[in-house]
Amino acid sequence: DAGVIQSPRHEVTEMGQEVTLRCKPISGHNSLFWYRQTMMRGLELLIYFNNNVPIDDSGMPEDRFSAKMPNASFSTLKIQPSEPRDSAVYFCASSSRSGSPLHFGNGTRLTVT
Amino acid sequence: AQTVTQSQPEMSVQEAETVTLSCTYDTSESDYYLFWYKQPPSRQMILVIRQEAYKQQNATENRFSVNFQKAAKSFSLKISDSQLGDAAMYFCAYIGGDWDGLTFGKGTHLIIQP
Repeated sequence: DAGVIQSPRHEVTEMGQEVTLRCKPISGHNSLFWYRQTMMRGLELLIYFNNNVPIDDSGMPEDRFSAKMPNASFSTLKIQPSEPRDSAVYFCASSSRSGSPLHFGNGTRLTVT
Repeated sequence: AQTVTQSQPEMSVQEAETVTLSCTYDTSESDYYLFWYKQPPSRQMILVIRQEAYKQQNATENRFSVNFQKAAKSFSLKISDSQLGDAAMYFCAYIGGDWDGLTFGKGTHLIIQP
């Protein structure tokens, strides 16, 4: 299995631009999680999906952030408009069922100038 | 809300020696799981070991073992025969029975001295 696949690996953009991060979970996994990692705040859960349905988005920092999961094999995290404080590493993770560990993608390093 | 605390921002150990990383957590749930993840400079998040709260036996994976003290809400990681490749950030993480996402500690930076 290829594992969780995230793209792009790096993204550099200017303030005010729209950014879309992509994630392909492991086939057969029915839970998907988006995390953000910064030096100041560590790893924070932004949103998670179960069977493609958003269950809890209370971690999404503000309305500029949105996430979708149109099918079981694809999810996006969009920031519009982006701001310098959004600079971080964004991870996607998936798991197959309660009790099984989360498998993480390699993350997207986002830099907003 | 659950919290996970790692009180050691950084630890250093000589190669081939043993080191223990500390983790405590706070929860009112009875059904939960605990994990240790390793993050090397490549920024991959690699699962090291997991522990089910209902199991009294401490989990072990090769050179890695845990000391799970449920009453004390403590979950430490012991690395035996430390190797240079063990150098990384180590994160302790908690997830409840609803499987609604991991709560991570702030991490411990482990340095291996050759």
